[in-house]
Amino acid sequence: DAKTTQPNSMESNEEEPVHLPCNHSTISGTDYIHWYRQLPSQGPEYVIHGLTSNVNNRMASLAIAEDRKSSTLILHRATLRDAAVYYCILRGSNDYKLSFGAGTTVTVRA
Amino acid sequence: DAGITQSPRHKVTETGTPVTLRCHQTENHRYMYWYRQDPGHGLRLIHYSYGVKDTDKGEVSDGYSVSRSKTEDFLLTLESATSSQTSVYFCAISDSGTDTQYFGPGTRLTVL
Repeated sequence: DAKTTQPNSMESNEEEPVHLPCNHSTISGTDYIHWYRQLPSQGPEYVIHGLTSNVNNRMASLAIAEDRKSSTLILHRATLRDAAVYYCILRGSNDYKLSFGAGTTVTVRA
Repeated sequence: DAGITQSPRHKVTETGTPVTLRCHQTENHRYMYWYRQDPGHGLRLIHYSYGVKDTDKGEVSDGYSVSRSKTEDFLLTLESATSSQTSVYFCAISDSGTDTQYFGPGTRLTVL
């Protein structure tokens, strides 16, 4: 499986944007970039995914580098509820499983 | 929220006893998964199912078995629990094998 590298932790202030980087230099052409997050004492939840183009949804935006070797998850206005572990996952177009790494622990200060 | 429940939510058992965890869904999704989460390892896939009576192994399947006799239920059994199986177990569902996975609330299992 292609690997991802994320910072261990990041801090943000409430209502400020948060930019979460992910490096995936060995990504293959058919790998999708998925982001999940896990709130304390809960199961993971889907955030967003993309292949080549930038993506937006109600939760976040995903910016993908032109060479696809890195990507950034953007939370536009962090709230206390966004404090979680965020996982960047590469998933092939035919992959059934998700391979979770250690993720980035995001702390939001009030 | 996807309709996924897990039972029990917490269980303490002794080494050598059998344990069954249940995952129940109301979404009629074809795929169901069991993961375990341990500090330092993230979530790892134990087994998954791609239909009634159709199951396959994941990356950490030793010591676990599964069964799926109905679309809505996926059971994970530890035939003889060991302390190394102390973990938090998550069930997930997806409509197809490559779709978004939706996770249940988890079961915290402690094997003494």
